[in-house]
Amino acid sequence: GAVVSQHPSWVICKSGTSVKIECRSLDFQATTMFWYRQFPKQSLMLMATSNEGSKATYEQGVEKDKFLINHASLTLSTLTVTSAHPEDSSFYICSARQGTAGELFFGEGSRLTVL
Amino acid sequence: AQKVTQAQTEISVVEKEDVTLDCVYETRDTTYYLFWYKQPPSGELVFLIRRNSFDEQNEISGRYSWNFQKSTSSFNFTITASQVVDSAVYFCALSELGTALIFGKGTTLSVSS
Repeated sequence: GAVVSQHPSWVICKSGTSVKIECRSLDFQATTMFWYRQFPKQSLMLMATSNEGSKATYEQGVEKDKFLINHASLTLSTLTVTSAHPEDSSFYICSARQGTAGELFFGEGSRLTVL
Repeated sequence: AQKVTQAQTEISVVEKEDVTLDCVYETRDTTYYLFWYKQPPSGELVFLIRRNSFDEQNEISGRYSWNFQKSTSSFNFTITASQVVDSAVYFCALSELGTALIFGKGTTLSVSS
């Protein structure tokens, strides 16, 4: 089946630094990618929808200047957490859709810890 | 608006017991998709099933079975003869055509030996 890969799997950074997480669709072209955040013992919350070649659409309450999303190619979307703070520590998961109504595949997730 | 409700926060069973995880959804669309995912402690999401709104046929896959009832907007998941390895958080999710998945809050299943 299709594979979506996230990198890094986990990252620890100091408060105030920026962290970039990559999401790649390895064997299909993903017009749309989604980014989710999951706090401990909670559900996955949609942060933004990323369409290749256009600006991401953010969910209410998600700061677009803090969580920069770039979807420059059909196989890569990146999420950059700028000026990270301890409250940004979370599990970030991306998903990629094959076509407009096709299967949706999830990456393995990236665990961010901000000290 | 889309909504997924998993009323059971935690369920504990003993091995070999059958267990049903409930999922109730809300949507205004006639075309939609329902999903179940398993999330073990390692964190990755394991896809279990996808159902479209036009297919109400129940599905069985080994010890897993799903009961989709549009009349009650439910998509329940049953594990037969549960095993310790079934211990995980299970999420029910819904997507309308072309949209992201919206997840329920999840049900934590603990199976003891």
